[in-house]
Amino acid sequence: RKEVEQDPGPFNVPEGATVAFNCTYSNSASQSFFWYRQDCRKEPKLLMSVYSSGNEDGRFTAQLNRASQYISLLIRDSKLSDSATYLCVVNLGSGGGADGLTFGKGTHLIIQP
Amino acid sequence: DTAVSQTPKYLVTQMGNDKSIKCEQNLGHDTMYWYKQDSKKFLKIMFSYNNKELIINETVPNRFSPKSPDKAHLNLHINSLELGDSAVYFCASSQDRGHDTGELFFGEGSRLTVL
Repeated sequence: RKEVEQDPGPFNVPEGATVAFNCTYSNSASQSFFWYRQDCRKEPKLLMSVYSSGNEDGRFTAQLNRASQYISLLIRDSKLSDSATYLCVVNLGSGGGADGLTFGKGTHLIIQP
Repeated sequence: DTAVSQTPKYLVTQMGNDKSIKCEQNLGHDTMYWYKQDSKKFLKIMFSYNNKELIINETVPNRFSPKSPDKAHLNLHINSLELGDSAVYFCASSQDRGHDTGELFFGEGSRLTVL
C-alpha cells in the first residue's frame, strides 16, 4: 500500500460549485498533515495545515480522520483560479519539522466557467 | 526578492555528461532539500541538509551528490547523466528541524532533459 494516496482526477467542476477530495495515509504514527497546491509548471506551495479538530481558511476547509487515516479538503464557491493540483502531505517525523514529509501524487482540479 | 532561487531553470544535455544545479535561499533557514518530480508528477525527496550535515539520503544513486558550501546554499551535482534522470528538480528550505509547521519553501524548479 502506498504511503499517501490520492485520486489523481482530473476533477472537472463548474465555477461556484463545492468540491471535496480525500487523501489516505498508511502510517498510523503520522504526526501532522498538510495540503499543498501546485500550479501547472510551478513549484508547490503550502495551502494549509490540517489540524485534528478540523480547520477553515476562507473557502477552504481541511479535516482529519485519524481512525480511518484520511484527510480531506473542501473548497466552497470554487473560482477559476482554484484550478491546480492539490498535494496531500503527511509528516512521519517524530519531531515535527519538514524532514519526514511524504507527498501524494496530487489531485488535479479544473474549474470550468 | 526571491526566497529560494535555483539555476538553471532549464537544462538540456546528452547522456553521460556531468551537470550541476545551484540553489540559494535568503530566508535564514537551517535545512535545505532537493526533491525530484518525475513525468508522473510524483514529488520525492532526494536529500536534505541541516547545518551542513546530510540528514536524509533516500535511495538515490551515488551519481547524485549534494554540496553545501554554507547553510544558504545547496547545490546538486549529477555525474554520468542517464535518460531516467530527466525530471524537474526542486530545491526547498524549511525552518529549524523540530518546528511543527512542516512548511517547505520551494524554488521554481530546474527542468532537466537528458537526450
